Amino acid sequence: EAQVTQNPRYLITVTGKKLTVTCSQNMNHEYMSWYRQDPGLGLRQIYYSMNVEVTDKGDVPEGYKVSRKEKRNFPLILESPSPNQTSLYFCASGSWTSGFQETQYFGPGTRLLVL
Amino acid sequence: ILNVEQSPQSLHVQEGDSTNFTCSFPSSNFYALHWYRWETAKSPEALFVMTLNGDEKKKGRISATLNTKEGYSYLYIKGSQPEDSATYLCALYNFNKFYFGSGTKLNVKP
Repeated sequence: EAQVTQNPRYLITVTGKKLTVTCSQNMNHEYMSWYRQDPGLGLRQIYYSMNVEVTDKGDVPEGYKVSRKEKRNFPLILESPSPNQTSLYFCASGSWTSGFQETQYFGPGTRLLVL
Repeated sequence: ILNVEQSPQSLHVQEGDSTNFTCSFPSSNFYALHWYRWETAKSPEALFVMTLNGDEKKKGRISATLNTKEGYSYLYIKGSQPEDSATYLCALYNFNKFYFGSGTKLNVKP
């Protein structure tokens, strides 16, 4: 089954304790992306990756890191989480080789609470 | 940052009503517009990807149109059903990034 998986689905942590949210896709997509969703705001892109070893900032990259060492995986790293990073996070993947005429596929989401 | 706006923010209709909502975006440097349907407690799911001015797409009772010159897209739902209740998101794809609107939340009453 074609899918994007994220882990964990729910996470409660404390300020400053490093954490990683994993994202994996099995569709051989080149493009992967992380978004956060906050009440009253649309999805905002944190980081994206056009392919292995190619990553770039989205609109809200501060406080986050990513890596793309393999095509299928795109982890999101919070080196020192702060309460303003409490949010719902989505990973997504898609094929951009056709000029993004195909859609993105979203993971199930990770709800993060930073105390 | 490109500003993508959706209106209305929310909509309440009766079962059987037809409805439509709008996505507005900067018309310059357009590349693609995506529509997604997002049900509560689930993740966004694809509806349409539109790239050409004048594009019209249809999936069952849902259809969409695109005007890249004036910078808007309309999503139409014909004969709304309670299972259409969801938030409908549009997203502009431009220079490798996605810019999402804040969505239109549709509630269809039986």
